[in-house]
Amino acid sequence: QKEVEQNSGPLSVPEGAIASLNCTYSDRGSQSFFWYRQYSGKSPELIMSIYSNGDKEDGRFTAQLNKASQYVSLLIRDSQPSDSATYLCAVRARGNNRKLIWGLGTSLAVNP
Amino acid sequence: KAGVTQTPRYLIKTRGQQVTLSCSPISGHRSVSWYQQTPGQGLQFLFEYFSETQRNKGNFPGRFSGRQFSNSRSEMNVSTLELGDSALYLCASSGGTGNYDEQFFGPGTRLTVL
Repeated sequence: QKEVEQNSGPLSVPEGAIASLNCTYSDRGSQSFFWYRQYSGKSPELIMSIYSNGDKEDGRFTAQLNKASQYVSLLIRDSQPSDSATYLCAVRARGNNRKLIWGLGTSLAVNP
Repeated sequence: KAGVTQTPRYLIKTRGQQVTLSCSPISGHRSVSWYQQTPGQGLQFLFEYFSETQRNKGNFPGRFSGRQFSNSRSEMNVSTLELGDSALYLCASSGGTGNYDEQFFGPGTRLTVL
């Protein structure tokens, strides 16, 4: 079982719709969770971090964390073609080394 | 505030050569992490430095090494290059006064090994 899992996609949504991206993780003691966006040929860009159960909103983006079920999701409201990118989920492991564990990413395509 | 800078942006080397990549973190950040990214493999963690000490290491051969200087700038070195080392090498800095945990990436160095 991979430590951080994401559906590879592609996830295709029409412009203006809500895009829902999901991520599950295996380490129950994980404390920090991050969503990054990566455009083709570019480096990852931090969208949001979340640490507590529940929702965290920032503009059109909402991160949702459920530690009991070990998943974190990212909702993108009013999706735009410019949101078309790969979305990476990262989870900070527990323990002394506390490495950041990355999913392989979900490719999102927003169709005009 | 300036972001993370990486030099050079592009490199072409031949097998057997060695290469040194440089990363300057965001001012005030003390942690630098290095990643290798190839199509289909995602972000592969190489190592993390904090205050000139290697704090974490990924599962890469000893040909991959790094160091951090007192000004938090970091370098990574790859010796005896192989074709499979062709990748985007990303540096990320963290540990600022804001959220200590968040990593911010530089633009990357694209290495091609011929």
